[in-house]
Amino acid sequence: DAKTTQPNSMESNEEEPVHLPCNHSTISGTDYIHWYRQLPSQGPEYVIHGLTSNVNNRMASLAIAEDRKSSTLILHRATLRDAAVYYCILVLYNFNKFYFGSGTKLNVKP
Amino acid sequence: EAGVAQSPRYKIIEKRQSVAFWCNPISGHATLYWYQQILGQGPKLLIQFQNNGVVDDSQLPKDRFSAERLKGVDSTLKIQPAKLEDSAVYLCASSLGSILAGGETQYFGPGTRLLVL
Repeated sequence: DAKTTQPNSMESNEEEPVHLPCNHSTISGTDYIHWYRQLPSQGPEYVIHGLTSNVNNRMASLAIAEDRKSSTLILHRATLRDAAVYYCILVLYNFNKFYFGSGTKLNVKP
Repeated sequence: EAGVAQSPRYKIIEKRQSVAFWCNPISGHATLYWYQQILGQGPKLLIQFQNNGVVDDSQLPKDRFSAERLKGVDSTLKIQPAKLEDSAVYLCASSLGSILAGGETQYFGPGTRLLVL
């Protein structure tokens, strides 16, 4: 019973925006959405998180659907260094659990 | 600020042998996590500590895996005896508070790559 669903892979051109989707249809009102990314041979690193409203930081933007059943991580201008596996994580507040999705492998073409 | 330290970085053992991994979290971080990441998969939480108490160890195979966090700082994860299917990267992470509170950020170490032959 997957808590989040992500496409296995996506491809982007350098300097173009990338929209990485995540479905979390079982989300409840107190559950947070986190995004991490993992570069080859490294541990995951934090990208962004949100609860209800859209969020922006220096790395990315997080757009959360109005019904909160899906979210999209937006990289505004992809670079070759953004090639990584991007994980969408659902933090289930009421169940005291959190789950990593299977991740989306992003390939950035020069 | 120093990051999460893990050692060793690589380990090769034969099945039925024992192995231990060490993690030093970021100073002041109360929460420590151990994950297992099998090739091609996302990290799977094995155990979460809050200071030196266990918050969640529901996915830790307790017949062969054990973990402790001495004095609420460093932590060790042990496998005894190892099986072929334990070949994976073992990641340690820490956070100021628990991610279960919602907004906490986890900081990951580089991981220990284990190969069981």
